[in-house]
Amino acid sequence: QSVLTQPPSVSAAPGQKVTISCSGSSSNIGNNYVSWYQQLPGTAPKLLIYDNNKRPSGIPDRFSGSKSGTSATLGITGLQTGDEADYYCGTWDSSLSAHFVFGTGTKVTVL
Amino acid sequence: QVQLQESGPGLVKPSETLSLMCTVSGGSISSFYWSWIRQPPGKGLEWIGYIYYSGSTNYNPSLKSRVTISVDTSKNQFSLKLSSVTAADTAIYYCARGGGSYYVLYYFDYWGQGTLVTVSS
Repeated sequence: QSVLTQPPSVSAAPGQKVTISCSGSSSNIGNNYVSWYQQLPGTAPKLLIYDNNKRPSGIPDRFSGSKSGTSATLGITGLQTGDEADYYCGTWDSSLSAHFVFGTGTKVTVL
Repeated sequence: QVQLQESGPGLVKPSETLSLMCTVSGGSISSFYWSWIRQPPGKGLEWIGYIYYSGSTNYNPSLKSRVTISVDTSKNQFSLKLSSVTAADTAIYYCARGGGSYYVLYYFDYWGQGTLVTVSS
């Protein structure tokens, strides 16, 4: 059971905006960098956002990340049919047994 | 362009040891945190552990007693061994390159395509 909670699903029409929340605690999101991953059906996850709000080369600026306290948010603007995928947040958990944790995952549906 | 490729048996019997190899090409295995991540069919991602190129390791506490990750820098490969497997270990296993600092992982920027391992007799 993941310590990072995401909504199971979000949806919007093409061209619209969606936001995905990732809720954690002071031992993880509150004190560590957050990253976000996109997993298209049948493929490996792909890094979308790292260090809370940075985009790797090649990731369009339609994707954005932010962090406030113990929560993080991924935003997708100008939604496209190709954005339909599962999205995961991830961060380091600095508890007694420090380890990396992923969020529960969110399915984005383009209506 | 860095590429990672998993290899190993797709079927493992219950109670036996799952063994996978990840070959890194297009870049050196020196530096970075080389990780294994798995995903049961239809479920979310679970980090298994990492090895730093120097040999330092960190494992998910839920799997720590059964996991060993090792590295062969001369071959640009790292490997996973998971002992005493059960059906619950059936999953797609990914190897990935992790970025971070002072043994804290920040992100995974390169992933293998994944390999499905089924635990069944």
